[in-house]
Amino acid sequence: GAGVSQSPSNKVTEKGKDVELRCDPISGHTALYWYRQSLGQGLEFLIYFQGNSAPDKSGLPSDRFSAERTGGSVSTLTIQRTQQEDSAVYLCASSYRTGPQETQYFGPGTRLLVL
Amino acid sequence: GDSVTQMEGPVTLSEEAFLTINCTYTATGYPSLFWYVQYPGEGLQLLLKATKADDKGSNKGFEATYRKETTSFHLEKGSVQVSDSAVYFCALSAYGQNFVFGPGTRLSVLP
Repeated sequence: GAGVSQSPSNKVTEKGKDVELRCDPISGHTALYWYRQSLGQGLEFLIYFQGNSAPDKSGLPSDRFSAERTGGSVSTLTIQRTQQEDSAVYLCASSYRTGPQETQYFGPGTRLLVL
Repeated sequence: GDSVTQMEGPVTLSEEAFLTINCTYTATGYPSLFWYVQYPGEGLQLLLKATKADDKGSNKGFEATYRKETTSFHLEKGSVQVSDSAVYFCALSAYGQNFVFGPGTRLSVLP
C-alpha cells in the first residue's frame, strides 16, 4: 500500500508542554523505528519495535520520552515536558524484518519546534 | 559495536563532475549495506543497497560496490546533476541488529 506516513508534519509547542507524534507504517511491516535528526546532524536512533514490543529502547534520551505501538501497526512517540533541545525532525521507518534483506522505508518526518 | 564512517562534507561539485563519497564500516558478521538520500525538505529514501560481498548496488546513475576486504561501500556517479544536491547517508544492517547510519554527507551541485 502507501508508504510510511507521519503526523503532524509540523508541530510548534511551548516549553513544558507534552507532544504526541504519530507514525503509520507500511501495511504488513513488522518492524518500526523512531529516529531523531537535529539540524544539520545525522540520524540518532531512539527506539525500535518488533510487533508491539520494544526490544531496544537504548536510544531514548531521557525518561521524558516514551513510545508505544498497538496492533502491530500505528506507533506514537510521546515527549513529556518538552525542552528546547527536543526541537528536531522525528523520523519513523518501517521494514518487513527478513534479516540480511531488511530495508527500512522512511516517512517524511515530523518537524518539532519547542519555543 | 557496529559503526559507519563517511566523509561529512559538504561536497561541492560542478554539474557533470564525477562524484565519490567514501563510506567505511565496522561490523561483526556480514552486514547488508545501504545508501539513503535525503533531498531538501524531504524524508530519507533508499538509493541503493548490497547484501553480500562484491555485490554492486545501482540506481539513478549511482553505484556502490560492497568491498569486504576494505570494509567499504563508496558511492559513485559519473556525471552529477543539480538535482542530485542532497544529503547522502551510508548505513549498515547486520542480522538481528538495528540499522547503523553514518553522519551524512551534504552534496551541492552547482550549474
